[in-house]
Amino acid sequence: GEDVEQSLFLSVREGDSSVINCTYTDSSSTYLYWYKQEPGAGLQLLTYIFSNMDMKQDQRLTVLLNKKDKHLSLRIADTQTGDSAIYFCAERDDKIIFGKGTRLHILP
Amino acid sequence: DAMVIQNPRYQVTQFGKPVTLSCSQTLNHNVMYWYQQKSSQAPKLLFHYYDKDFNNEADTPDNFQSRRPNTSFCFLDIRSPGLGDAAMYLCATSRDVGASDGYTFGSGTRLTVV
Repeated sequence: GEDVEQSLFLSVREGDSSVINCTYTDSSSTYLYWYKQEPGAGLQLLTYIFSNMDMKQDQRLTVLLNKKDKHLSLRIADTQTGDSAIYFCAERDDKIIFGKGTRLHILP
Repeated sequence: DAMVIQNPRYQVTQFGKPVTLSCSQTLNHNVMYWYQQKSSQAPKLLFHYYDKDFNNEADTPDNFQSRRPNTSFCFLDIRSPGLGDAAMYLCATSRDVGASDGYTFGSGTRLTVV
C-alpha cells in the first residue's frame, strides 16, 4: 500500500540549513509535495516536484528527488524563526497521501 | 482573494450529538476533499467530491457523511460523534483530480467531543 515516512522532529540553529527527509513507497507517484503547517492553521503548499525531475529550486527551498530510492528531501537555506512549523511530505498518484509531518524547531 | 474557508474554526459537540462542519471555496475548483488530522498523525482522506460525484475512502466509518449542494460548498456530517472523532478536520480543493498544483487547504475546524 501507499506509505510516506518522515522523521517527527528536527532542531536547527537559526541561520543554518534545514534538511527534512522523506521516503515513500508508491513508485507510480506522479507528483511529490512539501506542505507547511503552522500552529492552528491549514496546510500550505510550499513546493512540488514532478516525478521525472531530480531537483527543483525556489528561493531558499531546494527539493531533491531520488526516484530509484524513493527518497525526497527539502532543504531550507538560512533557516529563520518564521520557518518553525510542521512540514509534510506527500505523494500523489490519483490522490495525495501525506506523511506524519516533521516538526522543525529553530534554536536561537 | 480566492480561498477555502472553513467554519467554525473550533467546534465543541456532545458525545452522540450530530454535528456539521462547513467548507466553502471561491476558487471554482472541481474537486473538494475532507481530511481528518489527529495529533502527530498524517492527514487522512475521508472522501472527496469530483463535481457531484462522491468518492468514499474504503476505511471511512459510516458515521461520516458529506454533502455538496453546489460547486462552492461542501459539508461534513458526523452522525454520532464519539470521543475518537475529536480531531482537526481539513477541507481542501483542487482544479482537477490529476492537477499538478496540489490542493488548497482551508484553516481547518478543530472538533472537540465532550
